[in-house]
Amino acid sequence: GENVEQHPSTLSVQEGDSAVIKCTYSDSASNYFPWYKQELGKRPQLIIDIRSNVGEKKDQRIAVTLNKTAKHFSLHITETQPEDSAVYFCAASRPAYSGAGSYQLTFGKGTKLSVIP
Amino acid sequence: NAGVTQTPKFRVLKTGQSMTLLCAQDMNHEYMYWYRQDPGMGLRLIHYSVGEGTTAKGEVPDGYNVSRLKKQNFLLGLESAAPSQTSVYFCASSQTPGQGFTDTQYFGPGTRLTVL
Repeated sequence: GENVEQHPSTLSVQEGDSAVIKCTYSDSASNYFPWYKQELGKRPQLIIDIRSNVGEKKDQRIAVTLNKTAKHFSLHITETQPEDSAVYFCAASRPAYSGAGSYQLTFGKGTKLSVIP
Repeated sequence: NAGVTQTPKFRVLKTGQSMTLLCAQDMNHEYMYWYRQDPGMGLRLIHYSVGEGTTAKGEVPDGYNVSRLKKQNFLLGLESAAPSQTSVYFCASSQTPGQGFTDTQYFGPGTRLTVL
């Protein structure tokens, strides 16, 4: 099955600096890569996702890049703010209707981001 | 539109007791999922369902059973709770996949379960 590795496990940045979180995946058939943000005691919420037919996607201060050849994808947060402090999870999924493992998200173990004011 | 809801929010069980966690969604989603979240382990899939009356095993199914008798509800059962099942349980749902891609999963608020 799919295996997703996420680094680093903890990350501290000064307010206003950029933060980068990296993930690698093992299943070359995976084609959907979402990122979730989870604040303390809350549910995971989707912040951005990318599908394998694009290499980069941006939404205001966050961006995700995908390198299918190397099987890795990254989350970039620019101009970090204290409210960005949370645990971030990457995930990967096989194509829908592709048999065993499709529809399932395999998550990385998370990165705890702390933005220091 | 409440989205995905879970009951109860908290529960304490003794070893060997049984309980059922209820997940409900009002978005008419076909797919529903149960995850457990443990410190440092991320989210791990327990069971999932791709439609009413269907269920399938995920990554960590042992000790759990599920049922999807109605499209909007997905039940997770623990027949004989063990301390190793102490965790936060999240339910999620998603729409029918389009264009060959898995669709976005929306999570419920979670149930914190402690087994003594």
